[in-house]
Amino acid sequence: AQSVAQPEDQVNVAEGNPLTVKCTYSVSGNPYLFWYVQYPNRGLQFLLKYITGDNLVKGSYGFEAEFNKSQTSFHLKKPSALVSDSALYFCAVRGPTDSWGKLQFGAGTQVVVTP
Amino acid sequence: DSGVTQTPKHLITATGQRVTLRCSPRSGDLSVYWYQQSLDQGLQFLIQYYNGEERAKGNILERFSAQQFPDLHSELNLSSLELGDSALYFCASSQRGTEGTEAFFGQGTRLTVV
Repeated sequence: AQSVAQPEDQVNVAEGNPLTVKCTYSVSGNPYLFWYVQYPNRGLQFLLKYITGDNLVKGSYGFEAEFNKSQTSFHLKKPSALVSDSALYFCAVRGPTDSWGKLQFGAGTQVVVTP
Repeated sequence: DSGVTQTPKHLITATGQRVTLRCSPRSGDLSVYWYQQSLDQGLQFLIQYYNGEERAKGNILERFSAQQFPDLHSELNLSSLELGDSALYFCASSQRGTEGTEAFFGQGTRLTVV
């Protein structure tokens, strides 16, 4: 069975500092990995995905994520955080032959960026 | 704006009642998904439709049902409502629903059962 873990409930970072949100996964075969962000009272917004190819994936709003197969991780990063990046971040994973319905979301990580 | 429209945004109803949540997918998207988000359960997949047919089922209660109409909009019906059904219900859509396609989420319907 596939699973995804976001080990930190909350990440606190000062504006201008690098931001990292951690995600590890377990899936049979090569994974399809996604990051979504949820602002208060809003739906989830797609940030980026890894399907195949380059391990470093660039996404929206200056975010990027690094796929590490040996460590089964897909950490989200931003070189310089903004106060407006404060939100709830979700990592999600599924297997290559699974339909979207098998997508497993992590519990989410609350990011707080202080001025 | 994701292009996925959900109505209503808020719904307050009493236990035992039935409600219908509506979703209009992005133009051109054939797949629609329903999710439930609650504090204790997190984000739970309920059901997926593709071009009018049920494609995948998740943790959907028997009291809940959904359908996708020929114009591709979808409705989620929740009946015999209980206090524990209070949650944020999201609809999402994607072009297909397999492989690496990402889904785009609506803003959700917040259901409060009193």
